[in-house]
Amino acid sequence: GNSVTQMEGPVTLSEEAFLTINCTYTATGYPSLFWYVQYPGEGLQLLLKATKADDKGSNKGFEATYRKETTSFHLEKGSVQVSDSAVYFCALVGGGSNYKLTFGKGTLLTVNP
Amino acid sequence: DADVTQTPRNRITKTGKRIMLECSQTKGHDRMYWYRQDPGLGLRLIYYSFDVKDINKGEISDGYSVSRQAQAKFSLSLESAIPNQTALYFCATSDQGLAPNEQFFGPGTRLTVL
Repeated sequence: GNSVTQMEGPVTLSEEAFLTINCTYTATGYPSLFWYVQYPGEGLQLLLKATKADDKGSNKGFEATYRKETTSFHLEKGSVQVSDSAVYFCALVGGGSNYKLTFGKGTLLTVNP
Repeated sequence: DADVTQTPRNRITKTGKRIMLECSQTKGHDRMYWYRQDPGLGLRLIYYSFDVKDINKGEISDGYSVSRQAQAKFSLSLESAIPNQTALYFCATSDQGLAPNEQFFGPGTRLTVL
């Protein structure tokens, strides 16, 4: 079956630091990949997505590149802000299913001023 | 106004009680989902519905039931709540016409079973 493994948190950074949250996946075929973000007290919001190999998703200064050769979709941001503090989920759909999202366990990011 | 709404936002109940969580959407999507979130476990799918007459079990459906009253409404019921059903519950929607099935989430219902 499909699975997503993301780095365990919590991750604590100072403002303007570089962020990487690793995500690797297992799936048959060609899944679509997502990063969702959950701000405190809120539901999940789609942050970015990529639908095929070598695609780069980007939004709000965050980027992730779909790497089929390493089955990875690492999230990066060059300079984090306090407002980026949230839980980040890597997810995929596909690999035999066109509807079911498979989530990683989530990574809590805290950015200090 | 929010596109996907959930009521109640918070609920405390006792073991053995029946409880219903409701979800409504104004996005016009045909597909709706219920997930639960537990610390350190991510989100797990409870039930999903592709339309009013098509309801399916997810990976952790035991102890839960659902009702799709209309395209815009999808309710989750706990017939006899137990403490390990304490969790954050999310409703989500998607449209089969959207590729690759991006899902839109409600704000969540925090349920505590004492």
